[in-house]
Amino acid sequence: GQQVMQIPQYQHVQEGEDFTTYCNSSTTLSNIQWYKQRPGGHPVFLIQLVKSGEVKKQKRLTFQFGEAKKNSSLHITATQTTDVGTYFCAGKRGSQGNLIFGKGTKLSVKP
Amino acid sequence: NAGVTQTPKFQVLKTGQSMTLQCAQDMNHEYMSWYRQDPGMGLRLIHYSVGAGITDQGEVPNGYNVSRSTTEDFPLRLLSAAPSQTSVYFCASSRDRGEQYFGPGTRLTVT
Repeated sequence: GQQVMQIPQYQHVQEGEDFTTYCNSSTTLSNIQWYKQRPGGHPVFLIQLVKSGEVKKQKRLTFQFGEAKKNSSLHITATQTTDVGTYFCAGKRGSQGNLIFGKGTKLSVKP
Repeated sequence: NAGVTQTPKFQVLKTGQSMTLQCAQDMNHEYMSWYRQDPGMGLRLIHYSVGAGITDQGEVPNGYNVSRSTTEDFPLRLLSAAPSQTSVYFCASSRDRGEQYFGPGTRLTVT
């Protein structure tokens, strides 16, 4: 079945360092979404990418959708302790498909 | 708006017991879904509904039932609890399978 692979599983960084998580699908996606889950919390929507090659920015966060619409990345510049949490990508195949979540990347930030 | 609410927040069951996890949303969203989250496994779709009276199976439906009698409510029933169902359960809703709004979750332990 359709899979969405996400790497790395864990990332430990020093505050101020950059962070990137990658998401890859075995099939072409109609769109990809990114969520953040704080420890003990619930997933919160960050962004949705729809177009091939799309790049979107939210302050220190940069999201990319690959040209083939099979991969995506989330890059955080100069991490802060408030960035701690697990970041999930979720891909959808077709307009009526369900979201398939990656297993997430757990980010810890050392002050 | 309260968004998506879930009850209870915590529950301990004995093997073989049954229970219902409640989920409600006040955003008039047609699409609702149930996920389970296990360590290292990401979010896996259990059941979903595209509107009142319509439900369908997700990736891991065995041992669970759902119904959707109203737009607002989407309860999840565990028929005969098993230790393998120990997990955190999230309910989510969305307008058009886009941005998903998650509830706070129910932490279930089956002994």
